[in-house]
Amino acid sequence: AQSVTQLGSHVSVSEGALVLLRCNYSSSVPPYLFWYVQYPNQGLQLLLKYTTGATLVKGINGFEAEFKKSETSFHLTKPSAHMSDAAEYFCAVSDLSGGYNKLIFGAGTRLAVHP
Amino acid sequence: NAGVTQTPKFQVLKTGQSMTLQCAQDMNHEYMSWYRQDPGMGLRLIHYSVGAGITDQGEVPNGYNVSRSTTEDFPLRLLSAAPSQTSVYFCASRTDRNQETQYFGPGTRLLVL
Repeated sequence: AQSVTQLGSHVSVSEGALVLLRCNYSSSVPPYLFWYVQYPNQGLQLLLKYTTGATLVKGINGFEAEFKKSETSFHLTKPSAHMSDAAEYFCAVSDLSGGYNKLIFGAGTRLAVHP
Repeated sequence: NAGVTQTPKFQVLKTGQSMTLQCAQDMNHEYMSWYRQDPGMGLRLIHYSVGAGITDQGEVPNGYNVSRSTTEDFPLRLLSAAPSQTSVYFCASRTDRNQETQYFGPGTRLLVL
């Protein structure tokens, strides 16, 4: 079965600092990988996704993630944090077993950005 | 397009009560899903549907029923609410292509006393 591990349930950075949110997955087949963001009291919004092709994926709001098959990782980065980036971030992998494309989510990482 | 809409936004139930969480989408998506979100556990799939008249169980289906009589609507029913069902519930929809993005509703926060 697929699984997703997000290292660190809480990450705190200073405004302007590098954001690095870690995600590792287990998958027996090439996966589709996603990062979603959830702002307080809102639903999930897609940040970026990897399906095939280029392993460095750029998303909205200056975020990007790199698919590293050898490390089974899909870490999310942003060069310079902004106060508006404070939110919870979820990594997810597609699970195609059973003929339906289910999303398997990690537990989430809450990002705090302080002045 | 309104996207994926959910009602109500917040609900308090007593143990044993029943209720239906509503979900609708106007994007003509075939696939719809219900997830629950609990602290430290991410989102877990409850039930899903691949089209009108077709539903199946996800990861945590116990205590929930669904039906899909139209493409647009996918209600989630709690027949006899339990405190363990206190959670935030999200409905999602997408097209039938595997790598397509899922679109999430704003969520329903449910408290069962």
